[in-house]
Amino acid sequence: TQLLEQSPQFLSIQEGENLTVYCNSSSVFSSLQWYRQEPGEGPVLLVTVVTGGEVKKLKRLTFQFGDARKDSSLHITAAQPGDTGLYLCAGGSLAGNNRKLIWGLGTSLGVNP
Amino acid sequence: EAGVAQSPRYKIIEKRQSVAFWCNPISGHATLYWYQQILGQGPKLLIQFQNNGVVDDSQLPKDRFSAERLKGVDSTLKIQPAKLEDSAVYLCASSLIGQSHEQYFGPGTRLTVT
Repeated sequence: TQLLEQSPQFLSIQEGENLTVYCNSSSVFSSLQWYRQEPGEGPVLLVTVVTGGEVKKLKRLTFQFGDARKDSSLHITAAQPGDTGLYLCAGGSLAGNNRKLIWGLGTSLGVNP
Repeated sequence: EAGVAQSPRYKIIEKRQSVAFWCNPISGHATLYWYQQILGQGPKLLIQFQNNGVVDDSQLPKDRFSAERLKGVDSTLKIQPAKLEDSAVYLCASSLIGQSHEQYFGPGTRLTVT
């Protein structure tokens, strides 16, 4: 069974601080996605990484896919209250011809002004 | 481009009653997913359709949950009879065939079973 472990589960920080969220597995994934979900809304795709060692930047967010494609990290620089939400990682798996996502349990981030 | 539409947004029912949720995916997206999400956790896949066929329903509690996508476009998820533990947000997502697993979600339906 493929599993994705996210850490930390909860994070409360002050505006301006930096933070890193981790997503780890013993399984290899064909791709790794990060989503952000606000209360009362569905998850919104932030980024997809597909190549081992790949780094992508989205403004103050930096995403990295591990060399072995088993883990990923999300780093936020100078967090702002608008970054508050549930951050979810999801690994792309090919089971036969079926494309499915293996989901982490999420990291709930609160940024205090 | 219109996003994934879901209705209703909120539903409160008593245990043992039935309830149905509706989803209209992004136009042209052949794959449709129904997820159950407990507050503060990641989504749990209930069922995945490709066009009007079921690809994966291994985690669907088939004694009480059913879903259909008769014309390969919109879809309905039903619970009958509901239990207290079914209280959750039910998310619908869609994706293109052949894309790198990228899924687009609707706003969800928050179900409360009392």
